[in-house]
Amino acid sequence: EVQLLESGGGLVQPGGSLRLSCAASGFTFTNYAMSWVRQAPGKGLEWVSAISGSGDSTYYADFVKGRFTISRDNSKNTLYLQMKSLRAEDTAVYYCAKGAAVVVVAAGGLFDYWGQGTLVTVSS
Amino acid sequence: DIVMTQSPDSLAVSLGERATISCKSSQSVLYSSNNKNCLAWYQQKPGQPPKLLIYWASTREYGVPDRFSASGSGTDFTLTISSLQAEDVAVYYCQEYYSTPCSFGQGTKLEIK
Repeated sequence: EVQLLESGGGLVQPGGSLRLSCAASGFTFTNYAMSWVRQAPGKGLEWVSAISGSGDSTYYADFVKGRFTISRDNSKNTLYLQMKSLRAEDTAVYYCAKGAAVVVVAAGGLFDYWGQGTLVTVSS
Repeated sequence: DIVMTQSPDSLAVSLGERATISCKSSQSVLYSSNNKNCLAWYQQKPGQPPKLLIYWASTREYGVPDRFSASGSGTDFTLTISSLQAEDVAVYYCQEYYSTPCSFGQGTKLEIK
């Protein structure tokens, strides 16, 4: 059974940093691209970042470029999102999502499994 | 970036009746490598993560009831629930995965009339 378990969310002040983790199990982690997708309170889904199965290729939404860094440790079956210079508008539930292919393009951006999400609140 | 637009924003349908949601993309999402449309539909119930229902525009995910169907090509797509059940109350999102960044529609809230 595929499981994705996010952690690391919490309350942080504007300008602060936070690192999210997503522990994956139930599939061969290195064979699939992974993404972070967020959802602000009461709002829709917004893709944030993606990484290929090998970790060689990374992609970011314009609104997080230069502030967020996606990475993965295939030996630990874990996906990460390092967030810095956080803003109030980054407040959201952050979901870890498994792609359906090893590369990010096309099927790699099709999300067949999602974690339960971790809430990030940026407020003073 | 590709823009996905769903209609309507909300929809109220009687139990047992048909529900139809439209999704339009600002450009074609037809993937030339396999001649399939990179279009997915997700269902999100309150307090839960999204659940994949449909991919490649019309392929039902394993375990999804056959009252859910989808069609379309190029830039125009439709999700249909043939006979609405109480457990179908949710927000439905379309998503294109043709491009990076991928894009989601704004969501359609489906309720019981």
